[in-house]
Amino acid sequence: AQSVTQLDSQVPVFEEAPVELRCNYSSSVSVYLFWYVQYPNQGLQLLLKYLSGSTLVESINGFEAEFNKSQTSFHLRKPSVHISDTAEYFCAVKALGYSTLTFGKGTMLLVSP
Amino acid sequence: EAGVTQFPSHSVIEKGQTVTLRCDPISGHDNLYWYRRVMGKEIKFLLHFVKESKQDESGMPNNRFLAERTGGTYSTLKVQPAELEDSGVYFCASSQDLNQPQHFGDGTRLSIL
Repeated sequence: AQSVTQLDSQVPVFEEAPVELRCNYSSSVSVYLFWYVQYPNQGLQLLLKYLSGSTLVESINGFEAEFNKSQTSFHLRKPSVHISDTAEYFCAVKALGYSTLTFGKGTMLLVSP
Repeated sequence: EAGVTQFPSHSVIEKGQTVTLRCDPISGHDNLYWYRRVMGKEIKFLLHFVKESKQDESGMPNNRFLAERTGGTYSTLKVQPAELEDSGVYFCASSQDLNQPQHFGDGTRLSIL
């Protein structure tokens, strides 16, 4: 079985400041890793994914995440956030060959001017 | 390309009534998944269809929940009779195969009074 820990339920930050949303996972088998984002009054959108290859993955809107196998982490970072980044961010894992996504509890990113 | 669509977006019913949620996956996606987020908790897997067959229904909470995918296209999730603890957001997702990311709909917010 897999588990995902997002320790921070809320992260308040000022506009243009850097941010890191933490995600740690536990699994006895190899996994794929994902970050999903839910903007206010919208559904879940895939932000970025790690399937294989380079351990650093990037999204089109400036977020990046690095897969660290030894620390079983997949932290999400952005060097300078915008008001429009205010949303809830979910880290998720999926064991290779299985169908189930296991989600963390989510981190609400609150960006203020 | 149309994304995953869910209907209705909101449903408010009384305890003991029946509700049916619908999900239309992305065209060509054989894999369809249902998830649920109860207030304050993680998003949890309910079940997985491959075409019209139930591949994994280990997450279904009890026999008051019935999911179908006749013809392998859209899916329905019926709750009968609804109980207070069934309140939450029900998400549907689809993917081309197990190794591709799951794409989510906007969810159905279900409130049981």
